Amino acid sequence: GENVEQHPSTLSVQEGDSAVIKCTYSDSASNYFPWYKQELGKRPQLIIDIRSNVGEKKDQRIAVTLNKTAKHFSLHITETQPEDSAVYFCAASTLAGNAGKSTFGDGTTLTVKP
Amino acid sequence: ETGVTQSPTHLIKTRGQQVTLRCSSQSGHNTVSWYQQALGQGPQFIFQYYREEENGRGNFPPRFSGLQFPNYSSELNVNALELDDSALYLCASSLGFAGGKEETQYFGPGTRLLVL
Repeated sequence: GENVEQHPSTLSVQEGDSAVIKCTYSDSASNYFPWYKQELGKRPQLIIDIRSNVGEKKDQRIAVTLNKTAKHFSLHITETQPEDSAVYFCAASTLAGNAGKSTFGDGTTLTVKP
Repeated sequence: ETGVTQSPTHLIKTRGQQVTLRCSSQSGHNTVSWYQQALGQGPQFIFQYYREEENGRGNFPPRFSGLQFPNYSSELNVNALELDDSALYLCASSLGFAGGKEETQYFGPGTRLLVL
């Protein structure tokens, strides 16, 4: 089955700096890669996603890049703010009938210091 | 916040007991997936239901079972509870095979289960 590894497990940055979180996956059939933000005691919330036919996607301060050959994808947050502090999870799934069957990484705890 | 709801919010059981967790999917969604999230880990896929049929299962034993009802709400049942079953149980709904943004999952708030 699919295996997703996420690094680093913790990340601390100063407000205004950039943060980068990296994930690798093992199943070359995976073609959908969402990123979730989970604040303490709350549900995971989708912040951005990318499909395998796209190499990069951006939404304001957040961007995701995908390298299918190397089987890795990354989350980039620019101009970080204290409210960006949370646990971030990457996930990989194979669409074509299995929309929700995602394999998650173990998460990165991001702390943005004011 | 999403339109996905779960009940109960918290639950305490003892080893060997059985538990039923409930999930109401977002309006219009026909697919519900269940995940187990242990402390400090990412969610792990348990199984998915699409239009009342199981549509994929993760690496969980048969004592984890589920149901989906005609209104697409869902239940997760766990028999013979073990201490390691203590976790946050999340359900997520999506459009399934309807096309377009079918892959976007919307998570419920979760049920926190403690097994003593």
